Amino acid sequence: SQTIHQWPATLVQPVGSPLSLECTVEGTSNPNLYWYRQAAGRGLQLLFYSVGIGQISSEVPQNLSASRPQDRQFILSSKKLLLSDSGFYLCACKHDTGELFFGEGSRLTVL
Amino acid sequence: GQQLNQSPQSMFIQEGEDVSMNCTSSSIFNTWLWYKQDPGEGPVLLIALYKAGELTSNGRLTAQFGITRKDSFLNISASIPSDVGIYFCAGHPGRKTSYDKVIFGPGTSLSVIP
Repeated sequence: SQTIHQWPATLVQPVGSPLSLECTVEGTSNPNLYWYRQAAGRGLQLLFYSVGIGQISSEVPQNLSASRPQDRQFILSSKKLLLSDSGFYLCACKHDTGELFFGEGSRLTVL
Repeated sequence: GQQLNQSPQSMFIQEGEDVSMNCTSSSIFNTWLWYKQDPGEGPVLLIALYKAGELTSNGRLTAQFGITRKDSFLNISASIPSDVGIYFCAGHPGRKTSYDKVIFGPGTSLSVIP
């Protein structure tokens, strides 16, 4: 079965600083990968998804970008963080059966 | 764009009661997924549905894929305190394509009173 690792688990960053959140997947190949953001007490907003290496689809215009340098690695980045970037970031992997599994999440606080 | 709506937004029930929540979409989906999320953790998959009309159970949980493919419901029988959390529905096209968004509803918050 697949395992999804996210790091760091918690991050506190000042406004204007860069960001890099990493997600790696084990136990599967050529997965579809997703980045979601969840604000406190809210639902999951789809930010990016990728169906293969170098293929990124962006769902919401924003201050963030995503990259997929390897088959099982998905990175979420920002050059300059905004206060509104604070939230709980979740990486997910879609199984061949259609089921979507999540990592443990990365909590970002921008001060 | 595609949107999912969930109702009710929140529920407060007595322990032992049955719970019913539903999810509706403006678009057709070929796969429906139901998740539970505890505070500070990622959502955990409860049930996956792949065919219109399909009824699937997982312990005290039962979910159905609507015939129109635009809705789904989740029932929890004999609720217990550990059922507390936020329940999300999600839908997607169901096959691996270049257009493969998985969209989530806003969630139903469940509180169980012992």
